[in-house]
Amino acid sequence: AQSVSQHNHHVILSEAASLELGCNYSYGGTVNLFWYVQYPGQHLQLLLKYFSGDPLVKGIKGFEAEFIKSKFSFNLRKPSVQWSDTAEYFCAVDNYGQNFVFGPGTRLSVLP
Amino acid sequence: NAGVTQTPKFRVLKTGQSMTLLCAQDMNHEYMYWYRQDPGMGLRLIHYSVGEGTTAKGEVPDGYNVSRLKKQNFLLGLESAAPSQTSVYFCASSTTSGGLISYEQYFGPGTRLTVT
Repeated sequence: AQSVSQHNHHVILSEAASLELGCNYSYGGTVNLFWYVQYPGQHLQLLLKYFSGDPLVKGIKGFEAEFIKSKFSFNLRKPSVQWSDTAEYFCAVDNYGQNFVFGPGTRLSVLP
Repeated sequence: NAGVTQTPKFRVLKTGQSMTLLCAQDMNHEYMYWYRQDPGMGLRLIHYSVGEGTTAKGEVPDGYNVSRLKKQNFLLGLESAAPSQTSVYFCASSTTSGGLISYEQYFGPGTRLTVT
């Protein structure tokens, strides 16, 4: 069965630090890739998505992610985090005809 | 345009009681999903539906039933609640390209369920 792993359970950064959250998936075929964010007490919201084309995708709030097919990875990055980025981040994979599989999530705490 | 709504927002049940969670979407999406979210485990798919009148099991279907009698509604039922079903439940919907490719999911605000 397809699985999605996220490298870190909890990341703590100071404001203005750079962020990279790792995501790897196990499926070998064509996939759609997503990053979702869940702010405290809220529901999941889409940050960005990759379907095809340029493997570097830009999302909302200054986030971007790079799809590296050979590494089965879709890492999320932001050059300078803000306190308001404190949230839980979920990577998700949709492998065409199957269903979304979510990673376990990475909790990001940004210290002011 | 309300998006995806869920009722109720909170509920406390005693072991053995039953209840139904309602999810409604006004985006005319074909696909609808029910997830549960538990600490450290991310979101796990309970059941999903690819269209009115159809449902299918997800990763953790035991103890739950679903129905999709109308395209805009997706109901999740617990016939005999157990403490292990204490969780936050999220409904989501998505549209497709007409084939198997589904686009991003839109989530509801969640239902926090406690079973004592």
